Amino acid sequence: QKEVEQNSGPLSVPEGAIASLNCTYSDRVSQSFFWYRQYSGKSPELIMSIYSNGDKEDGRFTAQLNKASQYVSLLIRDSQPSDSATYLCAVNEGGGSNYKLTFGKGTLLTVNP
Amino acid sequence: NAGVMQNPRHLVRRRGQEARLRCSPMKGHSHVYWYRQLPEEGLKFMVYLQKENIIDESGMPKERFSAEFPKEGPSILRIQQVVRGDSAAYFCASSPGMGGRETQYFGPGTRLLVL
Repeated sequence: QKEVEQNSGPLSVPEGAIASLNCTYSDRVSQSFFWYRQYSGKSPELIMSIYSNGDKEDGRFTAQLNKASQYVSLLIRDSQPSDSATYLCAVNEGGGSNYKLTFGKGTLLTVNP
Repeated sequence: NAGVMQNPRHLVRRRGQEARLRCSPMKGHSHVYWYRQLPEEGLKFMVYLQKENIIDESGMPKERFSAEFPKEGPSILRIQQVVRGDSAAYFCASSPGMGGRETQYFGPGTRLLVL
């Protein structure tokens, strides 16, 4: 059973702080990793994708991947109240089923003004 | 609107009725995926389709659920004889189908409530 684990939170940070979201996965052959943001009652919205070890930056967001540790994280700098949402980590299954995404249950982030 | 479209956005059914959920992929996308999100649960893969082909339905319950993606028209997720446990948000995603590293983009979802 392939698993993706996230802290459910809630993670509460003050406005302007750095929010750090973590995710571990069980399938060593996974090759693609994604962070989605989901506002309450809405659909998942892609924030970042990362495929190689190291950091990938996009605006206020930085994704970090460590395949040896089977760990992927998302940093949000200068957090804003509008960043308050559930953040979903998704990992592809790898191998012949590499289209299949396995999602974590998500981390609820609250940014306090 | 070039995004993934789903309808209806909300659907109420009584136990035993049929539910039909429709999904039109993003323009230029030929691959469709259906996911289900139960209350307090993560998104779970159900089925992956290409035009006129079901590629992987391993996440779909064996009974009452079926999916199709015809040559013309939207993809349909059909749930027969709905039960209360089918109440969930059903999301459709699409990807280009160009091979390699594909990113899936999600539609707004259909919230199904079974009374």
